[in-house]
Amino acid sequence: AQSVTQLDSQVPVFEEAPVELRCNYSSSVSVYLFWYVQYPNQGLQLLLKYLSGSTLVKGINGFEAEFNKSQTSFHLRKPSVHISDTAEYFCAVINTGGFKTIFGAGTRLFVKA
Amino acid sequence: DVKVTQSSRYLVKRTGEKVFLECVQDMDHENMFWYRQDPGLGLRLIYFSYDVKMKEKGDIPEGYSVSREKKERFSLILESASTNQTSMYLCASSPYRGDSEQYFGPGTRLTVT
Repeated sequence: AQSVTQLDSQVPVFEEAPVELRCNYSSSVSVYLFWYVQYPNQGLQLLLKYLSGSTLVKGINGFEAEFNKSQTSFHLRKPSVHISDTAEYFCAVINTGGFKTIFGAGTRLFVKA
Repeated sequence: DVKVTQSSRYLVKRTGEKVFLECVQDMDHENMFWYRQDPGLGLRLIYFSYDVKMKEKGDIPEGYSVSREKKERFSLILESASTNQTSMYLCASSPYRGDSEQYFGPGTRLTVT
């Protein structure tokens, strides 16, 4: 069985500071990894995904994530956040060839002026 | 752009009522999903469908059923609504299994009183 753990439920940060949202997963088979963002009163949208190849993945809005197979982690980073990045972020994993995506519990990012 | 629409943004129903939540996608996607989202629990899969008239139980199917008579439409049915089904319900679609991202609707916030 797969599982996803987002290590922080809330992350407050000042505008223009760097941020890292942490995600660990467990799986006995090969997986694909995703980060989604949910702005207030909206559905989720894809930030970035790791399928194969380079372990550093770049996404939209200046976010990037690094896949670390030995640590089974997929942490999301941004070097300088904006107020508009305030949202909830979800890490997700799916078996290669599978249907069911497993989502983490989410991390609320609060960006303060 | 892929568009996933849900019939209502907010819904208030009484205990025992039969509730229909409708979801429509316009990109000819094979797969459709229903999730519920609760604080601290992330997204939990209720049902999914990988083809017309095909459905599979997710992780929390109890108290729910689904219908997919046409490829673009996936309905979630609460046969007899209960207060513990008060939640945010998210519909999603994806073109194929595994490495494809899911596209989400804006969600329906259901309150059962």
